[in-house]
Amino acid sequence: GAVVSQHPSRVICKSGTSVKIECRSLDFQATTMFWYRQFPKQSLMLMATSNEGSKATYEQGVEKDKFLINHASLTLSTLTVTSAHPEDSSFYICSADRVDYGYTFGSGTRLTVV
Amino acid sequence: AQSVAQPEDQVNVAEGNPLTVKCTYSVSGNPYLFWYVQYPNRGLQFLLKYITGDNLVKGSYGFEAEFNKSQTSFHLKKPSALVSDSALYFCAVRDNYGQNFVFGPGTRLSVLP
Repeated sequence: GAVVSQHPSRVICKSGTSVKIECRSLDFQATTMFWYRQFPKQSLMLMATSNEGSKATYEQGVEKDKFLINHASLTLSTLTVTSAHPEDSSFYICSADRVDYGYTFGSGTRLTVV
Repeated sequence: AQSVAQPEDQVNVAEGNPLTVKCTYSVSGNPYLFWYVQYPNRGLQFLLKYITGDNLVKGSYGFEAEFNKSQTSFHLKKPSALVSDSALYFCAVRDNYGQNFVFGPGTRLSVLP
């Protein structure tokens, strides 16, 4: 149980375009999901907390207008990187909160902006 | 506030030898403790957790961890390392109110053939 699916696993886009990443909880309902960014050889940096039916909570220093988060249902949260630039290239990971499991993570999305 | 320390950035061990990846934590109240593993370009995979009960917790792929309350530690162990165990390992903690989930910085394990 407690499976989270993240899609796509890899995406390459041109500078200035937008990219949407999906995070789905497959066998449970997740009122809260989390989006992380991971730089090479570093730990996960929490970007934002996504709450179903309400606005996401962004961590300090994360641009909410660049990283749009929508949590429209209890099983789906999306992260849209708007007007992407090469410095947005990174590994993005979502997770959903199950108190007894801890966080269950998606498999990650490698974003490359060219 | 919770915190997690993984004092070693890198652990090297020969295949077949026992391995230990260290984790210490600080949390108010009773801790929920977790270990996750991350392979290159992949998300995190759950290995094991301690919520309550026996201090020795057994998890996936032959890993185990021992909760030591007096030392506030939750070291990850495996009796005989495999080359395929080479990965990045994260310790994490949350308090018993279910809030504030915090990751350690990660330890890179290299198992040498």
